[in-house]
Formats: sequence, structure tokens, C-alpha cells
Amino acid sequence: DGGITQSPKYLFRKEGQNVTLSCEQNLNHDAMYWYRQDPGQGLRLIYYSQIVNDFQKGDIAEGYSVSREKKESFPLTVTSAQKNPTAFYLCASSIFLGETQYFGPGTRLLVL
Amino acid sequence: AQSVTQLGSHVSVSEGALVLLRCNYSSSVPPYLFWYVQYPNQGLQLLLKYTTGATLVKGINGFEAEFKKSETSFHLTKPSAHMSDAAEYFCAVSSDRGSTLGRLYFGRGTQLTVWP
Repeated sequence: DGGITQSPKYLFRKEGQNVTLSCEQNLNHDAMYWYRQDPGQGLRLIYYSQIVNDFQKGDIAEGYSVSREKKESFPLTVTSAQKNPTAFYLCASSIFLGETQYFGPGTRLLVL
Repeated sequence: AQSVTQLGSHVSVSEGALVLLRCNYSSSVPPYLFWYVQYPNQGLQLLLKYTTGATLVKGINGFEAEFKKSETSFHLTKPSAHMSDAAEYFCAVSSDRGSTLGRLYFGRGTQLTVWP
């Protein structure tokens, strides 16, 4: 059953802590994306990756980091430098950059 | 960069009434236009996509959208609303130039409420 999985569904971060959100896809897509969603602001692009071992900053990359060591995986780390991390995080993938994006179920990050 | 404006952050209709959700994009013609739907605490699901050719695009769940170049619009419609249509809807356009080539730009979303 092909698709995109994100884990965990809910994640809690303590002050000064780095946390990593997982995103895995088995669609054989080259491109992957991370978005942040806040109420009333739509989706804002954090990072995207066109191909393995390559990634680019989006519009709100400060305080976040990513890696793309495998085609199937694109983890997002929310660092302690991100002062307002509470949001819903969505991962997406597309067969190539610019093609239709398909989304995972999301991870909600909350700060303790 | 492309920009997308969704007019009306909240739209309410009665069950069985016409649904009209508005989307306007910036003046340069984008390669692709999309509508996505999001149910609470879930990811986005693709409703429909416009590429080239026929300007009226049919999607899932009875939705359709019409691309109007002269009005830079891509409004989403459904003739008869159902309770299950209550969700948030996002319009998105792709970029066709420069360093943002291939990126998607999203509107802020329209929350659709359907009254019984």
C-alpha cells in the first residue's frame, strides 16, 4: 500500500531540546517537502529536496534542519533555535519537483 | 514568486446549496493550479489539478474548478453541498521561473461549514 507516513502523530518538546520528525514515502518519488501550518496562515515551505543528498531552504528555514540520505526518507529536526515551534507539520512528496504533491497525515508539535 | 488569494476565510452553506470557493493567483500564468482539501488533524488530499487544455477541471467528490485566464481565477464549485464536504480547502499554484521553479504556493485556506 503506497503512501507517505509521518511519525509521531503528536510530539512534545521541552525548552532547549531538539526534536526530529520522521517522514517516509514508498512512492518512489524524487522530491520531498516539509511545510509548517499555523491557523489562518496556510502552508509555508520549510525545506525541500529535489533528489537524494540535495535540499534547499524554503521560506521559513531558520531554526530547522533536514537531511536526505535515502530516497524514501526526509527527516526534519526542529532545533532549540526555533523559538515558536508549536504548529502542525506536513510532509509531502512528488515524482519530480513541481509535479503534484501528495501529503502525509502530519505531526502536531507542542511545547511543554 | 507566485501568490494566491483565497477570498473568504470562512464560507457557510446549507446542505444541498451551491458551494463556491474563490481563488485568484498572481498575473503570470502558472504551469499548474490545484485545489486540496483538509479534514481536521489530517494531511491534504488532492481534489483536482489544472495543467493545460480544457479550462473546466473535474475533481473528486463532485467538485470542479474553472480556469479563467482573463480574471486570473480558479474558483472551486460544487452544485450541491453535503455535510461531509465540511473541511478546509486550499488553492495552490506552481511557480514557473527562476529559483522557485517547481515550488507550490498555497492560499491561506477557506473553512467550509455545511448546515443541515
